[in-house]
Amino acid sequence: KQEVTQIPAALSVPEGENLVLNCSFTDSAIYNLQWFRQDPGKGLTSLLLIQSSQREQTSGRLNASLDKSSGRSTLYIAASQPGDSATYLCAANSGGGADGLTFGKGTHLIIQP
Amino acid sequence: DAGVIQSPRHEVTEMGQEVTLRCKPISGHNSLFWYRQTMMRGLELLIYFNNNVPIDDSGMPEDRFSAKMPNASFSTLKIQPSEPRDSAVYFCASRSAPSPGGTQYFGPGTRLLVL
Repeated sequence: KQEVTQIPAALSVPEGENLVLNCSFTDSAIYNLQWFRQDPGKGLTSLLLIQSSQREQTSGRLNASLDKSSGRSTLYIAASQPGDSATYLCAANSGGGADGLTFGKGTHLIIQP
Repeated sequence: DAGVIQSPRHEVTEMGQEVTLRCKPISGHNSLFWYRQTMMRGLELLIYFNNNVPIDDSGMPEDRFSAKMPNASFSTLKIQPSEPRDSAVYFCASRSAPSPGGTQYFGPGTRLLVL
């Protein structure tokens, strides 16, 4: 059974810093990995999706990498802003007969102005 | 596009009552997922449909939970009878790509409180 872990659980940094959020998964036979953002009391917003054949994806100040062999993914946020404050979730899609996403518990990020 | 639409957004009910949550996926999407989010367990997949057919309901916690998708534009998740431990946020998500792969788009969720 796939398990996804995110470290750290919470992070508070000053505005302007570059930061890295970590995600690990136990079953490397994933089809893709997706990063989401969740604001308090809101739904999930998809940030990046990395297919198993890809090493990384970029969108603006966000860059996500994937290393299937080690069961790890990272989300890099450049030049952080207070508006980046949210909970960031990673989710693995193992495909096959288990097509739903397995989520980590998330990293609660606070960017201090 | 309006995105995934869920109703109601908030539901407060008493233990033993029937609860029905509704979801309208993004038009043209052929996969639909129901998830539940709690503080203790995080986000968990309950059930998903491909082309209106339930594919995997192994995440449905008990027989008290049931889900249907009578057509491509509507799905329901029903809890009968409801219990306090069912209190959670229930999310519906849809996806356009065939199984597997592709981005899942989430609705705003239904916040359920069972007293």
